[in-house]
Amino acid sequence: EVQLVESGGGLVQPGGSLRLSCAASGFTFSSYSMNWVRQAPGKGLEWVSYISSSSSTIYYADSVKGRFTISRDNAKNSLYLQMNSLRAEDTAVYYCARGAGEVLPIDYWGQGTLVTVSS
Amino acid sequence: SYVLTQPPSVSVAPGKTARITCGGNNIGSKSVHWYQQKPGQAPVLVIYYDSDRPSGIPERFSGSNSGNTATLTISRVEAGDEADYYCQVWDSSSDRGVFGGGTKLTVL
Repeated sequence: EVQLVESGGGLVQPGGSLRLSCAASGFTFSSYSMNWVRQAPGKGLEWVSYISSSSSTIYYADSVKGRFTISRDNAKNSLYLQMNSLRAEDTAVYYCARGAGEVLPIDYWGQGTLVTVSS
Repeated sequence: SYVLTQPPSVSVAPGKTARITCGGNNIGSKSVHWYQQKPGQAPVLVIYYDSDRPSGIPERFSGSNSGNTATLTISRVEAGDEADYYCQVWDSSSDRGVFGGGTKLTVL
């Protein structure tokens, strides 16, 4: 069974940093691309970042480019999102999500971790 | 940047057919994916590559894509289909994933 479990969310002050992790199991992690998708409270889905299976290709949404860094460790079956210079508008549930195709679709999602940016 | 437009809400009676649209410039040239999200839950893929259904998704769910509009069709709607639905494409011109704003499906 495919499982994606996010961790690392919490309350952080504006300008602060946070590192999200996603532990993957139930599939060959190194064979799949991965994404981070977020959802602000009461709002829609927003794609955040993509990383290919070998980490050779990485993309970011304009809203996070230069502040967030996606990475993965295939030996540890883990995906990460380093978030710096956090803003109130980054407050959201962050989902770790597996890519099924070249980039999309997303076929499996974690349950999400809540990041709250507030003073 | 590429924009996907969905109606905020669609209402349908049980047993009827619901159609949720996703508009975008020449969206027919892109692959469209659809997700269902129920309150407090993670999204679930219901249609991919315009019209393919993942295993476990009822045949009542179907999709089409042509011109400037993609459509998710849910036949014989059930109370359990009540959820938010999102369309998604990959914008290859900017290398960005794009979601529509979402449509809340209400079963009357």
